[in-house]
Amino acid sequence: AQTVTQSQPEMSVQEAETVTLSCTYDTSESDYYLFWYKQPPSRQMILVIRQEAYKQQNATENRFSVNFQKAAKSFSLKISDSQLGDAAMYFCAYRKNYGGSQGNLIFGKGTKLSVKP
Amino acid sequence: DAGVTQSPTHLIKTRGQQVTLRCSPKSGHDTVSWYQQALGQGPQFIFQYYEEEERQRGNFPDRFSGHQFPNYSSELNVNALLLGDSALYLCASSRQARSYGYTFGSGTRLTVV
Repeated sequence: AQTVTQSQPEMSVQEAETVTLSCTYDTSESDYYLFWYKQPPSRQMILVIRQEAYKQQNATENRFSVNFQKAAKSFSLKISDSQLGDAAMYFCAYRKNYGGSQGNLIFGKGTKLSVKP
Repeated sequence: DAGVTQSPTHLIKTRGQQVTLRCSPKSGHDTVSWYQQALGQGPQFIFQYYEEEERQRGNFPDRFSGHQFPNYSSELNVNALLLGDSALYLCASSRQARSYGYTFGSGTRLTVV
């Protein structure tokens, strides 16, 4: 069975600094997607960034980037120039690629990120 | 363009009762998935509906059931509520033809007393 592990229950970063959130996963599949979701107090899960396993290039979205190490099954999120609005729970998630949107997301337990002014 | 709408926002039920949660998917989406998020945990997959049928199910007992309507909206029903069913229930919609692009609602907070 696939699993996702986030080993940092809480992280803290100074505003404008950089922080890296860790995630490891276990799967025997070769075709899958990895995601980072942000969950603010409003409770809605918001997609931060997505990585297709078959792509070697690390995904980036503005201040957010990932370090995808497929062999090591590691998928870390780097947030640059941290802003107060980045404070939230961050979840790493895995989904096998069945084609289409079949299949479910498997989430880690989350990392609570605090941003200090 | 409305996102995913869930109702009610909060709900308090007594042990043994039954509850129905509702979800309206984002416009253009035809697939609805339900997740249970216990306090301090990541969401866990309950089931997914497409074309009014349950397509995939997670490791949840039969007390959890669902339905999808022709307009793609969905309901989650939980019978014989247990204290352990207290959680945030999230609905996510997507287009079956797309490999990604889940949109989540803000969830229903269910408290069982």
